[in-house]
Amino acid sequence: DTGVSQDPRHKITKRGQNVTFRCDPISEHNRLYWYRQTLGQGPEFLTYFQNEAQLEKSRLLSDRFSAERPKGSFSTLEIQRTEQGDSAMYLCASSLALTVQETQYFGPGTRLLVL
Amino acid sequence: GIQVEQSPPDLILQEGANSTLRCNFSDSVNNLQWFHQNPWGQLINLFYIPSGTKQNGRLSATTVATERYSLLYISSSQTTDSGVYFCAVKFGNTGKLIFGQGTTLQVKP
Repeated sequence: DTGVSQDPRHKITKRGQNVTFRCDPISEHNRLYWYRQTLGQGPEFLTYFQNEAQLEKSRLLSDRFSAERPKGSFSTLEIQRTEQGDSAMYLCASSLALTVQETQYFGPGTRLLVL
Repeated sequence: GIQVEQSPPDLILQEGANSTLRCNFSDSVNNLQWFHQNPWGQLINLFYIPSGTKQNGRLSATTVATERYSLLYISSSQTTDSGVYFCAVKFGNTGKLIFGQGTTLQVKP
């Protein structure tokens, strides 16, 4: 089991550009989560998928943000027209949610810096 | 919404000392996890512990769900224990974890 992987690990972009991040969950995990973490804070939930269905979105997820999980495996998170306030660590997690007992496992994150 | 509070916010220890980190939550939860975030930002799973007590080496955790708190014990601390410790809870039918603000631990040699 290789764990949750994320790509890229670091991204520097200019304000107004679009960026896309990828997350590959632990194989056979049916749930995939995206969180955002700013300096000195705990991670905050953005959205999650069960298989290919997007089940919940946070109010933090403005219309500039879109996430997909087209085949129920990997997921992408796109930010359009980036702003300096988007600078953060973007974390992906996955879990096997068959019962109420569900442990989320996190990837290494993608650090985004918007100049 | 549900509130998760961790204490203390910062903790400095000498190597070999013991410590207790606390997590209070404001409502009934069906999932509670403790994580250690290393200096590179990786969140490492320590415990899944919605209730009861678990131990893993020098670490142990106890959750008293009826009183809405959880404790993480670190014994014989090592410099590699340094980092930020997060408590996160899940409640109701939502899938999301709600994180506390974390406890930053520094273990000095």
